Amino acid sequence: DAKTTQPTSMDCAEGRAANLPCNHSTISGNEYVYWYRQIHSQGPQYIIHGLKNNETNEMASLIITEDRKSSTLILPHATLRDTAVYYCIVRDANRDDKIIFGKGTRLHILP
Amino acid sequence: DTGVSQDPRHKITKRGQNVTFRCDPISEHNRLYWYRQTLGQGPEFLTYFQNEAQLEKSRLLSDRFSAERPKGSFSTLEIQRTEQGDSAMYLCASSLETRAGYTFGSGTRLTVV
Repeated sequence: DAKTTQPTSMDCAEGRAANLPCNHSTISGNEYVYWYRQIHSQGPQYIIHGLKNNETNEMASLIITEDRKSSTLILPHATLRDTAVYYCIVRDANRDDKIIFGKGTRLHILP
Repeated sequence: DTGVSQDPRHKITKRGQNVTFRCDPISEHNRLYWYRQTLGQGPEFLTYFQNEAQLEKSRLLSDRFSAERPKGSFSTLEIQRTEQGDSAMYLCASSLETRAGYTFGSGTRLTVV
């Protein structure tokens, strides 16, 4: 079962930062937070992952709270191409756990 | 890096027929995964290979389903005696090591009529 809670849908204006929240209150010490997105009719795309520290790459930033019970994915300047379903996943990567997807957040970028 | 390739992209079959899908992972990736996705749902895990060994199978993988990865490279997923409930997107993914993100293919959309 998915161990995360995400809003069903969100809207964001084009050019603004999109902040996607995720609750994972039962996360254990060995579990990483992963984010994927799925654009319509395509396979999921890996975005970013982290354990404790905030992470940034060319696609997004991941902010993890100090207690690790929640996180936020930030798309700094959203474009129409960022319209997708965003999945937040927790996974014990050291145990090689498979990725379990929930229903994710449907993000609509508005022109 | 040509990504993960899946073939065919679309398959329409009559109920009761057998179908086989192929997945070509990224060449250096030793882990390969199959998922199934129905409309409005997130992908559901089906099975996982490390090299040629099938290490885990979901309860979703009934005895009509079989997956192989004979030489640790490409993989096939066969569904025998297809049912309408098998209609879904079948996704393949690969990864290099445990912490890495998965790279997914574009999927094979199966429609059973």
